[in-house]
Amino acid sequence: NAGVTQTPKFQVLKTGQSMTLQCAQDMNHEYMSWYRQDPGMGLRLIHYSVGAGITDQGEVPNGYNVSRSTTEDFPLRLLSAAPSQTSVYFCASSLSRTASGNTIYFGEGSWLTVV
Amino acid sequence: AQSVTQLDSHVSVSEGTPVLLRCNYSSSYSPSLFWYVQHPNKGLQLLLKYTSAATLVKGINGFEAEFKKSETSFHLTKPSAHMSDAAEYFCVVTLTGGGNKLTFGTGTQLKVEL
Repeated sequence: NAGVTQTPKFQVLKTGQSMTLQCAQDMNHEYMSWYRQDPGMGLRLIHYSVGAGITDQGEVPNGYNVSRSTTEDFPLRLLSAAPSQTSVYFCASSLSRTASGNTIYFGEGSWLTVV
Repeated sequence: AQSVTQLDSHVSVSEGTPVLLRCNYSSSYSPSLFWYVQHPNKGLQLLLKYTSAATLVKGINGFEAEFKKSETSFHLTKPSAHMSDAAEYFCVVTLTGGGNKLTFGTGTQLKVEL
């Protein structure tokens, strides 16, 4: 039972480089999302998806793109990395967007440093 | 709109003594409330959740939390701290029936001393 799998776990990028953080879940969850975690700020929502082909912006979407071509996968793309994007990124999924109190399952995180 | 405030950024207890991590929320509608724990360099693990059923919620590892609507609080407690409880704890709110957009508190770092 893999749950939510994120790769890579650690990455160092140079300013201006692009990269994709991969996220996959094997629970047939409709809802997937990406968060970034910064010291003293909790987790902030970057983008989310309520199903294949549907994505929307969260609280801090600038500098990030997402797509959802399948139910299982929800990659996060940094098109031109900036030092301000140095953070820990978490992918999350849950069964349904509308049901109350759905447990959100998190991946183990991706530590990204932009130099 | 919804928000959550964790009243202490750091809490330090001795092993074997009670733990209290405080959380207050603000929500225009019926909230669902969660506590998650994050051990160093790890992802977030659900401790417990409140979804408008019993107001006293029991979670894993001996933790529990009580939903108090009159005080808009959802404090996390444990009768006796263990060294393995040292971690960061997040209180999280989402609107019941309003989707799974979570609003996180800023976290409370729990330190457990011998």
